Amino acid sequence: DTGVSQDPRHKITKRGQNVTFRCDPISEHNRLYWYRQTLGQGPEFLTYFQNEAQLEKSRLLSDRFSAERPKGSFSTLEIQRTEQGDSAMYLCASSYHRAEQFFGPGTRLTVL
Amino acid sequence: QQQVKQSPQSLIVQKGGIPIINCAYENTAFDYFPWYQQFPGKGPALLIAIRPDVSEKKEGRFTISFNKSAKQFSLHIMDSQPGDSATYFCAASINNAGNMLTFGGGTRLMVKP
Repeated sequence: DTGVSQDPRHKITKRGQNVTFRCDPISEHNRLYWYRQTLGQGPEFLTYFQNEAQLEKSRLLSDRFSAERPKGSFSTLEIQRTEQGDSAMYLCASSYHRAEQFFGPGTRLTVL
Repeated sequence: QQQVKQSPQSLIVQKGGIPIINCAYENTAFDYFPWYQQFPGKGPALLIAIRPDVSEKKEGRFTISFNKSAKQFSLHIMDSQPGDSATYFCAASINNAGNMLTFGGGTRLMVKP
């Protein structure tokens, strides 16, 4: 499978805990995007990387959220001190010098 | 502020019908308009996309119609099948500004056999 992969697929955590998600983009894709999708809504942009540089962050990305893309390959999204409002599907997408973005299966986060 | 408005929220058609989903945008800087299909528990899958220099694009049973002056675009699904039952999202982005996608609210389509 050469598509975008995300891990884990599901995460249940207690309020106040830290969680980390991983995204592996399609090989050689230089752009990587994170989106958040709540039930019944369209995805909302969080942040994006071109190679290892984080070029844009949404106002949705509070200081409890941090994302990295070391060496321009996989990316991680960490949420510190999780809140119930963080419960959502976290989607990763990648692209290569073009507009077409290909999404992974997502990580569904449930904060109890 | 929702920059891409999508309608209807839900749609039911019979097999073979032609569902039409509409989107309107506000930001005239948008220059790339994709449609995504999403099944429950899955990530969105790119269906078809259009740029504002053309008024229509067809790929298989999917057609995008684009009206730049009205700032509207729509998805038509020809000869719809029960397997097309899914949620459809329109989106828009700016090509030279990172291509971050702004999505519509989605349309849940059901195609009855």
